[in-house]
Amino acid sequence: NAGVTQTPKFQVLKTGQSMTLQCAQDMNHEYMSWYRQDPGMGLRLIHYSVGAGITDQGEVPNGYNVSRSTTEDFPLRLLSAAPSQTSVYFCASSYAGTRWGGELFFGEGSRLTVL
Amino acid sequence: TQLLEQSPQFLSIQEGENLTVYCNSSSVFSSLQWYRQEPGEGPVLLVTVVTGGEVKKLKRLTFQFGDARKDSSLHITAAQPGDTGLYLCAGRQTGANNLFFGTGTRLTVIP
Repeated sequence: NAGVTQTPKFQVLKTGQSMTLQCAQDMNHEYMSWYRQDPGMGLRLIHYSVGAGITDQGEVPNGYNVSRSTTEDFPLRLLSAAPSQTSVYFCASSYAGTRWGGELFFGEGSRLTVL
Repeated sequence: TQLLEQSPQFLSIQEGENLTVYCNSSSVFSSLQWYRQEPGEGPVLLVTVVTGGEVKKLKRLTFQFGDARKDSSLHITAAQPGDTGLYLCAGRQTGANNLFFGTGTRLTVIP
């Protein structure tokens, strides 16, 4: 059982380049989300989705886009990379949302460096 | 603005010692979770607490949710090197879809 799969694991970009971080889950989870993790700041929510065709902004959405065309996939797009977006990105999913204290299942993370 | 503040940020102790990690907020949460994260991996859920004053035990780990549901603590008894990792608390506010994570406590247990 693969769980939550993120690709790529490592990426180096130049300022102004765009890219997409891929996230796929095979648990039929309705809820999916993207977090970024920076030293001393824990995990901050970028965007989330409660089902196919539905997305919403989290705490730090600027500079990122998402879409949810299928239950399984939730890609994160960086439109024009900036050094401030250097971070480790985590995709997470949960059954039927997290409304009732459900467990978040995380991918292994994607480490992005913007030069 | 960080909704959840954890303390201490770093903790280095000898094997066999006891420790407590704190997670504090001025906001009320309907539930609170604790996750542990090891290097190169995503966080993994340890426990969920939902009732004010609730205490849950997981082997040598004891979790408590504050009476007012604004804070939580994690106590580890007789720490072992395998407890080394980043501990994250995460809270959900009533009616919200999302979890807000704390700032994290990095624990190192020295053999």
